[in-house]
Amino acid sequence: DQQVKQNSPSLSVQEGRISILNCDYTNSMFDYFLWYKKYPAEGPTFLISISSIKDKNEDGRFTVFLNKSAKHLSLHIVPSQPGDSAVYFCAAVSSNTGKLIFGQGTTLQVKP
Amino acid sequence: EAGVAQSPRYKIIEKRQSVAFWCNPISGHATLYWYQQILGQGPKLLIQFQNNGVVDDSQLPKDRFSAERLKGVDSTLKIQPAKLEDSAVYLCASSLDGVAGYTFGSGTRLTVV
Repeated sequence: DQQVKQNSPSLSVQEGRISILNCDYTNSMFDYFLWYKKYPAEGPTFLISISSIKDKNEDGRFTVFLNKSAKHLSLHIVPSQPGDSAVYFCAAVSSNTGKLIFGQGTTLQVKP
Repeated sequence: EAGVAQSPRYKIIEKRQSVAFWCNPISGHATLYWYQQILGQGPKLLIQFQNNGVVDDSQLPKDRFSAERLKGVDSTLKIQPAKLEDSAVYLCASSLDGVAGYTFGSGTRLTVV
């Protein structure tokens, strides 16, 4: 039962353009959503999060959008840089359980 | 603030052998998690501790995996006996409140041959 899904295994964009990574979830009890970035041989690093009471959160070049009715969130990176090339994981948690559930990940490649 | 420490970084064992991983969470973090990440997949939660009590171990293969958290601080994850399909990166994470602020260690890459 995949409660958090990232349907695009990979994404390639040109430097300076926008990267959009998508994530869908099925459990309506999730009330907090997070994006993590992972480089090879390292653990996931927290990037940005959003509470279910908001529909947008912005931090520098990174913006996360949440559409609760569609159970969908997306991460926008503008402008994309080659150093952004990594695997991006979407994750969700219910404050009732504290159990962080991850999607399968999307590998982003930003070409110079 | 020191991060989540894990050791060893890499381990290669033969199938049917046993192995143990160690995690030291961020000081003061009550919640500790062990995740298994198989290549090409997202991390899968194996066990969640709140202080030294188990909150969720529904995904832990209890016939071969065991975990404990001594005095609510350090934790060890053990596999005995190991199978080929246990080859993965084992990630430890800790959180202050179990909702946000999760911090991950660098993981232990296990290869079972």
